[in-house]
Amino acid sequence: QKEVEQNSGPLSVPEGAIASLNCTYSDRGSQSFFWYRQYSGKSPELIMSIYSNGDKEDGRFTAQLNKASQYVSLLIRDSQPSDSATYLCAVNMQGNTPLVFGKGTRLSVIA
Amino acid sequence: EAGVAQSPRYKIIEKRQSVAFWCNPISGHATLYWYQQILGQGPKLLIQFQNNGVVDDSQLPKDRFSAERLKGVDSTLKIQPAKLEDSAVYLCASSLRMILDRRYNEQFFGPGTRLTVL
Repeated sequence: QKEVEQNSGPLSVPEGAIASLNCTYSDRGSQSFFWYRQYSGKSPELIMSIYSNGDKEDGRFTAQLNKASQYVSLLIRDSQPSDSATYLCAVNMQGNTPLVFGKGTRLSVIA
Repeated sequence: EAGVAQSPRYKIIEKRQSVAFWCNPISGHATLYWYQQILGQGPKLLIQFQNNGVVDDSQLPKDRFSAERLKGVDSTLKIQPAKLEDSAVYLCASSLRMILDRRYNEQFFGPGTRLTVL
């Protein structure tokens, strides 16, 4: 059974701080890793994808992948109240398997 | 570029009734997915199509759920008869293709259909 684990939160951070969201996965064969942001009542929005060990930066977002530890994280720098949402970690095998999602971490950025 | 379209956005039905959802993927996207998201959970795949063929329907409750993608573009998901536990958001997603190049497997979601079964 492929599993993706996330702390459900809520994770509360003050405005301007760094928010750190973590995710672990069970399948060592996983190849592709994604972070989705989901506002309340909305559908998931893809914000980051990462495929290789190390860091990938895009604006205020940094995704970090450590395949040996089966761990992927998302850092949000200079957190804004508009970043308050649920962040879903999703994982799949290379190419031809569906995404397996975690339950999501609810982030609250306090102004 | 237009995103994934879904309709209806909301649906309320009585248990044992039937319901159908429609999805039109991003233009040119060969792979289409239907997910079910129960409140407080991550999305769970129901069925995956590549063009008009089914790739994975292992988690689709086939006694009551059916889906088709006849011309390899838009798709419908049907529930007949509905149960109380089918209350959820039904999300459609699409990706460009399903090949070994991982860049083309990024999935983009439509707005979803919120189903309430009374």
